Amino acid sequence: EVQLVESGGGLVKPGGSLRLSCAASGFTFINAWMSWVRQAPGKGLEWVGRIKSKTDGGTTDYTAPVKGRFTFSRDDSKKTLYLQMNSLKAEDTAVYYCTTVGPYDILTGYYMGYYYYMDVWGKGTTVTVSS
Amino acid sequence: QSVLTQPPSVSGAPGQRVTISCTGSSSNIGAGYDVHWYQQLPGTAPKLLISGNSNRPSGVPDRFSGSKSGTSASLAITGLQAEDEADYYCQSYDNSLSGHVVFGGGTKLTVL
Repeated sequence: EVQLVESGGGLVKPGGSLRLSCAASGFTFINAWMSWVRQAPGKGLEWVGRIKSKTDGGTTDYTAPVKGRFTFSRDDSKKTLYLQMNSLKAEDTAVYYCTTVGPYDILTGYYMGYYYYMDVWGKGTTVTVSS
Repeated sequence: QSVLTQPPSVSGAPGQRVTISCTGSSSNIGAGYDVHWYQQLPGTAPKLLISGNSNRPSGVPDRFSGSKSGTSASLAITGLQAEDEADYYCQSYDNSLSGHVVFGGGTKLTVL
């Protein structure tokens, strides 16, 4: 079964740090592009960014509000994605979802011809930034 | 203010057809970037509903369909069912923004 399981969320004070993890199973993680999406309480979805597979360069891309404070990394041997969050602000309070992201079908590895669709989502982990 | 504009809410009776619009601009949908749609049932993670403008992933009923034209896209749901009550989000790529991926603000579908 294809699965993503996030962990590491919690309560942190403004200015603090937190590291989220996302454990993957059921697909070839090493080939997958991965992303983080967050959802503030009662609000819509917000793209945080993505990390490509090492085969495709392993490059990262971040949305402007988190650039310079958040860092994505991946350990392909552990099939785990990480999100290091520093200098946290109250507006970072949200449920953080780990997702796979196109253009490759995660089961077959086929190139689908379109980009940035998020086909597998974890259940999310909650980050609360408050004093 | 979201880069992609969706109506905050739509509603319909069981069995009816509803559509949800997603309006963008020349830097995203109008530039030819694909649109994807997600369904978020209450208290759950979003689920991919439509990818690449009109493709349904395995397991998604054919009651759901997507289309794109110009700077807009639409999600249509036919034969509305009670379990379709959820939030729906469109998503695309924008070539003028850092991070580049953008979501619509979401549409709450109420089944009357």
